[in-house]
Amino acid sequence: ETGVTQSPTHLIKTRGQQVTLRCSSQSGHNTVSWYQQALGQGPQFIFQYYREEENGRGNFPPRFSGLQFPNYSSELNVNALELDDSALYLCASSLGGGGPSNEQFFGPGTRLTVL
Amino acid sequence: DAKTTQPNSMESNEEEPVHLPCNHSTISGTDYIHWYRQLPSQGPEYVIHGLTSNVNNRMASLAIAEDRKSSTLILHRATLRDAAVYYCILRPLQGGSEKLVFGKGTKLTVNP
Repeated sequence: ETGVTQSPTHLIKTRGQQVTLRCSSQSGHNTVSWYQQALGQGPQFIFQYYREEENGRGNFPPRFSGLQFPNYSSELNVNALELDDSALYLCASSLGGGGPSNEQFFGPGTRLTVL
Repeated sequence: DAKTTQPNSMESNEEEPVHLPCNHSTISGTDYIHWYRQLPSQGPEYVIHGLTSNVNNRMASLAIAEDRKSSTLILHRATLRDAAVYYCILRPLQGGSEKLVFGKGTKLTVNP
């Protein structure tokens, strides 16, 4: 069974650029959640996709957008990068519909640095 | 989102038990209590969860107070590999997305 994978591992961009991060969910999982983790902080929920539809969004501006594909892999896109977007971006997959006892499986993250 | 309070840091010695506390005085009757941990340079990983009764699994035990306003994650014999940030998270029964709301967690240091 393959776990959650993310690419790339590290990325350096300049302010104003756009970035796309990718996530492959664990086999059999239909739900993907994205989190942003600033240095020294806990992860903050960005949004979640369930069966290709957005299913909840955190307090992030519209320049953070996403997609989920028919194979349940997902992309996170960030436009007009700002310095404060520098963070570890985590993807988590789960089998949606399991309710509050559902476990989420996290990938290793993508470290984004904005200069 | 229901709030949890955890100590910023704790220290333990290898092979000794560790009790990590979490206060959640505003918990509702249907909120599940979850624990995740994040090892250095890794994504968080699930540890354990419970609703009302104490729970045990291969990683840890979860002791839930009778009034559910607090809980304790118990690592029975800490190893160096248990050094991580531990997050206590409340998950509501209803509410749309199955998001996790992380606080700052407790950084556990394990001394050899």
